[in-house]
Amino acid sequence: GAVVSQHPSRVICKSGTSVKIECRSLDFQATTMFWYRQFPKQSLMLMATSNEGSKATYEQGVEKDKFLINHASLTLSTLTVTSAHPEDSSFYICSARPQTTFYGYTFGSGTRLTVV
Amino acid sequence: GNSVTQMEGPVTLSEEAFLTINCTYTATGYPSLFWYVQYPGEGLQLLLKATKADDKGSNKGFEATYRKETTSFHLEKGSVQVSDSAVYFCALSGSSGNTPLVFGKGTRLSVIA
Repeated sequence: GAVVSQHPSRVICKSGTSVKIECRSLDFQATTMFWYRQFPKQSLMLMATSNEGSKATYEQGVEKDKFLINHASLTLSTLTVTSAHPEDSSFYICSARPQTTFYGYTFGSGTRLTVV
Repeated sequence: GNSVTQMEGPVTLSEEAFLTINCTYTATGYPSLFWYVQYPGEGLQLLLKATKADDKGSNKGFEATYRKETTSFHLEKGSVQVSDSAVYFCALSGSSGNTPLVFGKGTRLSVIA
């Protein structure tokens, strides 16, 4: 149990286009999900906290107009990278914490975004 | 604020060697502590966790003990295998509500046969 599914696993897009990444909790409800970004050989950087039915909370320095987060249901959060540029190329990972396993965080398998 | 400091890698060991990856933390309240492992091109997998002082987390031969007096959560394994080659992240979560994990910078481990 406590599986988070993230899609797509890899995506290549052209500069100026938008890309949507989905994060689904398959067997639990997630009122909160977290979006991280990971640069090569570096740690995970928290981008934002996604809250079901309300606005996401962005970390300092993260452009909310570029990284649009929508958490419309208790099992789905989406991250849309708008007007993507090569510097947006990165590994994006989502995470959620099932309430039934207190303190346990589950991660999606990540999305490798390459902007050409 | 909360923070995690872990030893920098890369760490290269021979098969069957003893592994220690140091991790210390700064936090208010009573955080929970975690070790995650990331294999190449994949997401993060929970390796082990501890939720209170003196708890020992263990899994797949790896162990870590929550030491409040030294604010540490060092990862150990008595005999590493080539398949243990990965990046290991120490992390903590706050003691309240839906707070995100705070990660250390990660330590890359390479085990050679």
